[in-house]
Amino acid sequence: NAGVTQTPKFRVLKTGQSMTLLCAQDMNHEYMYWYRQDPGMGLRLIHYSVGEGTTAKGEVPDGYNVSRLKKQNFLLGLESAAPSQTSVYFCASSLEVYNEQFFGPGTRLTVL
Amino acid sequence: EDKVVQSPLSLVVHEGDTVTLNCSYEVTNFRSLLWYKQEKKAPTFLFMLTSSGIEKKSGRLSSILDKKELFSILNITATQTGDSAVYLCAGALIQGAQKLVFGQGTRLTINP
Repeated sequence: NAGVTQTPKFRVLKTGQSMTLLCAQDMNHEYMYWYRQDPGMGLRLIHYSVGEGTTAKGEVPDGYNVSRLKKQNFLLGLESAAPSQTSVYFCASSLEVYNEQFFGPGTRLTVL
Repeated sequence: EDKVVQSPLSLVVHEGDTVTLNCSYEVTNFRSLLWYKQEKKAPTFLFMLTSSGIEKKSGRLSSILDKKELFSILNITATQTGDSAVYLCAGALIQGAQKLVFGQGTRLTINP
């Protein structure tokens, strides 16, 4: 099993550009999450999904959209990137709501 | 506002020493406390603590939760250079999904 994978690993955008980050898991997990990690602030939840076809807002959802068309994939979109979205983005998944979350390797995004 | 505070933020010790990392939390609808180890990339799961006073162990690592005083500790005995990492503590609440509130992390450096 590959676990949780994320593409791309690195990306540099200019302000106003758009992009999509892909998260994939091969563990048949129901729950998937997107976090951002900034220095001194810990990880913060952006959006999450409780199953295929569902999405919900987390703590810091503004400027991001998500989709979960297939159970194994969770996409995070930035429609118009801003420098404040420069961060490391982590995807995570869990089998059920009470289980631990497994994290992907992260995507380092820089917005100039 | 939900909050998790870790201390110390940074710790440098010699190989073979024993270390104790602290985590205090104020999380509404608290369900469990999770510890993760983060080296270069993805946080990797260490422990999930749900019951107060029951120690969980994995090799040289152990952890315990005090739900009355709202804190948890992570102990590492006979430290090795491979234990150098950032250790993350997160309080979990169940609100549709398992929402994790992360602390800032403790950066542990083990010198040979």
